[in-house]
Amino acid sequence: GQQLNQSPQSMFIQEGEDVSMNCTSSSIFNTWLWYKQDPGEGPVLLIALYKAGELTSNGRLTAQFGITRKDSFLNISASIPSDVGIYFCAGLNPGNQFYFGTGTSLTVIP
Amino acid sequence: GAVVSQHPSRVICKSGTSVKIECRSLDFQATTMFWYRQFPKQSLMLMATSNEGSKATYEQGVEKDKFLINHASLTLSTLTVTSAHPEDSSFYICSANSPVSGANVLTFGAGSRLTVL
Repeated sequence: GQQLNQSPQSMFIQEGEDVSMNCTSSSIFNTWLWYKQDPGEGPVLLIALYKAGELTSNGRLTAQFGITRKDSFLNISASIPSDVGIYFCAGLNPGNQFYFGTGTSLTVIP
Repeated sequence: GAVVSQHPSRVICKSGTSVKIECRSLDFQATTMFWYRQFPKQSLMLMATSNEGSKATYEQGVEKDKFLINHASLTLSTLTVTSAHPEDSSFYICSANSPVSGANVLTFGAGSRLTVL
């Protein structure tokens, strides 16, 4: 299926640093979702966004639904070792189809 | 919250045998479930959309005779890898449209690691 453009592909950061990743698309979406996947596990929902411009936080995580409805970003503040994993964005388009980003692999160096 | 249970989590089989993977929605009804394949360090590849009471819709390039999908009830979809070969070894994940605060999100199973010897 079609994939969303997600960047960066990978990140290596020091513990305590902030992280930012984003997803972009050429078409609009009605919902943006951010997931984290630990090795050997299924993705777990972190944040769901339903309105253009919406800014939502979940602990140290903050995500925004872009005003154009074609992008979204996820920020992680004060990273800790357990933030390690692969982060995926997903978008639900007006046709009720889900598309996934290519993933951002995050490594946190203690 | 919505929970999707996937079983087995790991399976090892001999080449030529068939393997069935189950995906259950535990606390909600799922008329639609999705099956994905994931290679190491790559994103999820949608294989097919499983529709309760009707035939699954397969993505281009996915062999429907190889990957049999049955969605016999509102809480259960199964993926059967028929006549498995080593190249079918992969991580298979299911998901379901689940209601969260009145909106639709995808809830994923924990995945099934298939190793074909």
